[in-house]
Parts: sequence; structure tokens; C-alpha cells
Amino acid sequence: KQEVTQIPAALSVPEGENLVLNCSFTDSAIYNLQWFRQDPGKGLTSLLLIQSSQREQTSGRLNASLDKSSGRSTLYIAASQPGDSATYLCAVRRHGSSNTGKLIFGQGTTLQVKP
Amino acid sequence: GAVVSQHPSWVICKSGTSVKIECRSLDFQATTMFWYRQFPKQSLMLMATSNEGSKATYEQGVEKDKFLINHASLTLSTLTVTSAHPEDSSFYICSAPGQDSYGYTFGSGTRLTVV
Repeated sequence: KQEVTQIPAALSVPEGENLVLNCSFTDSAIYNLQWFRQDPGKGLTSLLLIQSSQREQTSGRLNASLDKSSGRSTLYIAASQPGDSATYLCAVRRHGSSNTGKLIFGQGTTLQVKP
Repeated sequence: GAVVSQHPSWVICKSGTSVKIECRSLDFQATTMFWYRQFPKQSLMLMATSNEGSKATYEQGVEKDKFLINHASLTLSTLTVTSAHPEDSSFYICSAPGQDSYGYTFGSGTRLTVV
């Protein structure tokens, strides 16, 4: 059974700091891994999607890496800003068709960036 | 990119009544829709998977008679919480698989409060 763990559960940093969020998963047979952002009381916004054959993806100040063999992914946020404050969720998609390839979520990391 | 429209964004209902939540795929056809619930400060838990033209698949522990799912067309899936009780109060989010390059697309969520 796939289990996804995110560390730390919460993080508070001063503005401008670079930071790393960690995600680990127990079953390396994944189709892809996706990082999401969730603001309080809102839905999920997709940040980065890494296919199982890829090592990393970048979008602006965000960089996500994937090491399938070790079951790890990291989300790197450069030069953090107060607007980055949110909960960050990683989710893995099990290998298979879209019907069975449901997402398994980690518990999330709640980030607070202080001005 | 793919967009999933979810309505209502919030609803307050009396105990014992039923509430319907709709999710529509606006610019693509969603043969599959995943329904999640999220309790405060917790991650998303998959409740069920709806499939156009067939019965929904429920996760273990989810009451299918209480959470009725209908996938009426390739662009509409609904979740009806029947005979709602205060413990059903939660945040419900739908999600559809998009094209592989986009991963999964989520609705904006519905905050259900049962009083």
C-alpha cells in the first residue's frame, strides 16, 4: 500500500529565505508525482508535475526533484515571499490507467513566510 | 489548461437534509472524477471514483448509500450527501485526470456545514 509522508508538517521562515519541502513515498512504482498548493479554505492549485521518467521540473522560483529509486521528492522554493504562505501537498499517482491511477496525498507542509 | 468548475463553494444545511455538489469539466471530457473530503488541518482522503456510464467505486469505509455519486455525462459528476449530519461537515473537492502533461485538475472545493 502506497504511503506518502511530508516533512516538516509546518515551517516558518523569514522572507527571502530559500527552503526545501520533503516528500517521501513507500512504493516506487509511480506514474508521476505532483506538487500542489492549497490556500486556507480553497481548492488545490497544481504547481509542478514530474513524470516517473523525469528527474526534476522547474517553474519560476520553484524546483521539484524526483528520485524514484529512493522514494523521495523535494520542492525547492527560492527567495520565499509572504505570498508563498500556504499548505503544500505532494501526491503520487499509481501506475496504471487514469481510472485506477488515483492520487495518494501526503499530509502537507504548512508554510508561513514572515515579512 | 483543463478546468473543473465546482458548485456550490459553500453550503449550510440542516441536519437530515440532502445536499448536492456538482463538478463540471469545462473544456475537456472527464470520463473519471475523483471525490475527496478534507477535515481541518488534514490531507485529502479519497472517498470515491465516479465513472461515466457505470457505477461509482467507493473507498473502504465510505457509505455508498450516504454519499450518492452520479456521473451523468462526460462533463458532469455530482455528489449528494444524503440525510446529512454534523459529522459530515467537511471540505469536499473533486478532481479529474487531465492530459498527462497537466496531471490532475481540482475543483475549488465545497465547504459543507451541517447544523
